[in-house]
Amino acid sequence: DQQVKQNSPSLSVQEGRISILNCDYTNSMFDYFLWYKKYPAEGPTFLISISSIKDKNEDGRFTVFLNKSAKHLSLHIVPSQPGDSAVYFCAASATSNSGYALNFGKGTSLLVTP
Amino acid sequence: DSGVTQTPKHLITATGQRVTLRCSPRSGDLSVYWYQQSLDQGLQFLIQYYNGEERAKGNILERFSAQQFPDLHSELNLSSLELGDSALYFCASSVSGATGELFFGEGSRLTVL
Repeated sequence: DQQVKQNSPSLSVQEGRISILNCDYTNSMFDYFLWYKKYPAEGPTFLISISSIKDKNEDGRFTVFLNKSAKHLSLHIVPSQPGDSAVYFCAASATSNSGYALNFGKGTSLLVTP
Repeated sequence: DSGVTQTPKHLITATGQRVTLRCSPRSGDLSVYWYQQSLDQGLQFLIQYYNGEERAKGNILERFSAQQFPDLHSELNLSSLELGDSALYFCASSVSGATGELFFGEGSRLTVL
């Protein structure tokens, strides 16, 4: 049962434009959300996160928006650069005494063209 | 370089066999996580250890087992292998068992023929 869903397997954007990657979740217990970036032949690397007490978090060109009522979050990259081409995974977790495992989506492959 | 080391990077074996994947976490990290990424699938959480003890369990098959040793390295044992077990297996670590930023290794690619 996929609790974190990224419905767009791929996205192509021109350099300099905005990239918007979307993510939906079903588990209302999730209270911490993260985006990871993955290049081929490498492990995922942390990009940005947001707690459920916020609706926006910004880090340079990357901004994550959280809409709890819609159980939806998005990652905005402005401006997009060719080096941003990678697979982006959305992840979510629920505070728990028994662990803090991340639930990942299937990923969205972003291609930024010059 | 995340500081998480996984060996082997590639492994080819036959159905019915048993393999062990090894993970060394970042220095100082007490928590280790194992994830499986099959073709066209996201990262599926398998199991988490914290300071030697199992902390959380995900969709880990009974044929799979893991442990974390006193030096904090971890091993994932996969037995009675099936074709469908072919996947990338990632190990990740974090300082504690709480809060979400994980540091991932480069993965071990298992091919079962």
